Amino acid sequence: QKEVEQDPGPLSVPEGAIVSLNCTYSNSAFQYFMWYRQYSRKGPELLMYTYSSGNKEDGRFTAQVDKSSKYISLFIRDSQPSDSATYLCAMKGGGSQGNLIFGKGTKLSVKP
Amino acid sequence: EPEVTQTPSHQVTQMGQEVILRCVPISNHLYFYWYRQILGQKVEFLVSFYNNEISEKSEIFDDQFSVERPDGSNFTLKIRSTKLEDSAMYFCASSRGQGALDTQYFGPGTRLTVL
Repeated sequence: QKEVEQDPGPLSVPEGAIVSLNCTYSNSAFQYFMWYRQYSRKGPELLMYTYSSGNKEDGRFTAQVDKSSKYISLFIRDSQPSDSATYLCAMKGGGSQGNLIFGKGTKLSVKP
Repeated sequence: EPEVTQTPSHQVTQMGQEVILRCVPISNHLYFYWYRQILGQKVEFLVSFYNNEISEKSEIFDDQFSVERPDGSNFTLKIRSTKLEDSAMYFCASSRGQGALDTQYFGPGTRLTVL
């Protein structure tokens, strides 16, 4: 069983739509959850970082974590063409473990 | 805003050759990482480095790989004898610590092509 599963898409939505991106994971040791955005041929850029179940909001972005279901989500409200990118979920365990485990990424295209 | 930088942006090499990928982490960060991303695949952890030694490594990071912090600013990844399957994007990252609120910041990557 893969540690982190993420639907690779591609996902295409019209400008202004609400986008929902999701990841599931199998390792209950994961404590910290991140969403990165990656533009083509660029490095991942941190968008959101959470470490508890519940919601965290930052502007048009909301990250949601459900540890009981091992499920995390990223919602993008009022999506813009500039949001077109690949969105990667990433997670890590507690303690001294620093390495991030990534999902495969979902490619999002927002059409004007 | 401080950022992680990497050179070169693209490296082409022949199979069996040695390559060195270079990174300059954010200046007040203490933990350094290398990840790779084969085309169409996940970003995969290779190694983390702290206090001039490897703190964690994955099974990918075998004897062909080594890391070094040769001076106060650079962090390098060396591949001794490249194979075709080493072709990938290599990302350097750095963080202040490894605690709950310490996030990793990634560089733009080096695209390695092994012919």
